Amino acid sequence: DVKVTQSSRYLVKRTGEKVFLECVQDMDHENMFWYRQDPGLGLRLIYFSYDVKMKEKGDIPEGYSVSREKKERFSLILESASTNQTSMYLCASSSGSSGNTIYFGEGSWLTVV
Amino acid sequence: AQKVTQAQTEISVVEKEDVTLDCVYETRDTTYYLFWYKQPPSGELVFLIRRNSFDEQNEISGRYSWNFQKSTSSFNFTITASQVVDSAVYFCALSRYISGGYNKLIFGAGTRLAVHP
Repeated sequence: DVKVTQSSRYLVKRTGEKVFLECVQDMDHENMFWYRQDPGLGLRLIYFSYDVKMKEKGDIPEGYSVSREKKERFSLILESASTNQTSMYLCASSSGSSGNTIYFGEGSWLTVV
Repeated sequence: AQKVTQAQTEISVVEKEDVTLDCVYETRDTTYYLFWYKQPPSGELVFLIRRNSFDEQNEISGRYSWNFQKSTSSFNFTITASQVVDSAVYFCALSRYISGGYNKLIFGAGTRLAVHP
């Protein structure tokens, strides 16, 4: 089975703090994604990566950055957390071909106070 | 523009009822993929089904069935004889085909299904 693991399930951070959300997948997938989920808005793509050290902005990249130094690991970084970044963050991965299934992690609930 | 609409925000049924979750999509692509995911209270999105735009056959998997109709741009999901364990948020998603490249999912807003004993 595909396994996408997010390091933290629940985090509480203060405004202005730098926050790292880590994600690891064990299926040698080329593509990795970070989504944000908010009530009534569904899932929105923040950033994705199709190869090591490669990254592309998604639909809502403002206030976020990412890092992919190794194929299996994709990190989401909030440089200076703000209260409007309180949300559920979901990491996902898929193999290279378009149309392949995207597999998701369990999600990280981030609260910024 | 690509878009997925799940008009039903919340559905409440009693156990053993059948329930259909609607999904309508918009795309100008001729090749695309449609997905359904289930999100239980634990938070993880669980993959249920993938369908490509050239395959309009309906699919049945146990109590789950899917009806894909290109003529109406719909990909509806039916749960037969619902159970309490089916309570979750269900998302429909559209993926664009890009030759040799990545895939990106566009999600609907989700439908919250509550199945009561």
